[in-house]
Parts: sequence; C-alpha cells; structure tokens
Amino acid sequence: GQSLEQPSEVTAVEGAIVQINCTYQTSGFYGLSWYQQHDGGAPTFLSYNALDGLEETGRFSSFLSRSDSYGYLLLQELQMKDSASYFCAVRDANNQGGKLIFGQGTELSVKP
Amino acid sequence: SQTIHQWPATLVQPVGSPLSLECTVEGTSNPNLYWYRQAAGRGLQLLFYSVGIGQISSEVPQNLSASRPQDRQFILSSKKLLLSDSGFYLCAWKLGTEAFFGQGTRLTVV
Repeated sequence: GQSLEQPSEVTAVEGAIVQINCTYQTSGFYGLSWYQQHDGGAPTFLSYNALDGLEETGRFSSFLSRSDSYGYLLLQELQMKDSASYFCAVRDANNQGGKLIFGQGTELSVKP
Repeated sequence: SQTIHQWPATLVQPVGSPLSLECTVEGTSNPNLYWYRQAAGRGLQLLFYSVGIGQISSEVPQNLSASRPQDRQFILSSKKLLLSDSGFYLCAWKLGTEAFFGQGTRLTVV
C-alpha cells in the first residue's frame, strides 16, 4: 500500500525558517508534491519534485531524496499568513499514474 | 483557463437520506478526477479517482459511490447517509503534476 508520514504540527516565529519533513512509502513513484490549506479552504499547490534535489519558488523550497523516500518543504522568512496546514502528496506510478494520495498534514502556527 | 465547480458549499442531511454532490471542470480535456474527504483537523482521505469516462477506482469501502458520466463531470453519491459520512468533501482535477481543488462541500449528517 501507500503511506506518507509528516509531523502533525509545527510552531515557529515570524521571520524564522521552518522545515516540514515527509517520508513516503509507495509501490510506484512519480513525484512528491506539497499543498497548502488555510482553515476552511481548498488546498492549493505549492511545489513538485520528480527528481532528487532542491526546487526553489520564492520563500518556499522543496527537497526530494528518492533513495531515502524522503522530502521536505522549507519555508523561509515566515509570515503570519503562512499559518496553515501543509500536505505532502505522492502520485502512484500504478493505475495509469492516476492515484494521488496525501499525508495527514502538518499544521504550522506562526507566532509574532 | 481551467476552472472547477463544486456544489453545494454546505449541506445538512438527515441520516438515511440520499446524497449527490456534483463536480464539473472547464477548460481542460480528459483530466484525472478525484473525490477526497477531510474530517475536522485531519488529512485528505482519497475516496475515488477516475482516469477517464466510466473508469472509477474506489479506495475505501463505504456506502458511497462515484460516477463519471461525462469527461469533465464527477459525481459522488450515497443511497443512505450515515452519521459518519459527515465531513468536508473536496473534488479535484489533475493534468500533469498539479492538482486543482474545488471549494469543497461541508456535509453534516444529522
């Protein structure tokens, strides 16, 4: 089967850097994605890693190590508006690559 | 541009009543379509996904079903709702690496 593990919650202060880890287990693997969800809203796409290494998009970066089945989301220069839940997701290579499963989410609280 | 419509936004239904949630996508062809359920403060549980018309994969045994009568239409149904069916239901579509979500339906079964 497939599973993803990520911490349930993280707290940090404004201006700091925070890293949210994700380990995954799948029978096939296409890539690791990250999504942000504010309370009561719809998840929105942040980043995608298909290959090992770091992808940078503004204040957010995402890293993948396929050999370790591990990735992380790095948020820099934290702002209050970054308080949200963050989900890692994997696309299973089986079933025509259609299956997209999410972790349980990490609730990030940014304090002043 | 692509858009996804999901309705209704909120729904209160009695136990034992039927359910039909509809999701439509505009501006794309042959997308992968998904139904997720999210309990309060929890993760996104994949319920169903579809890679094409009439092709439905079910992930969790339950009293829910899904159908894809048209390329860009995905319907979540139940014949008789249970209290445990309460939650936040999200429809999503994906073409490539990025998934786009509808605004969700908050279902309360009473």
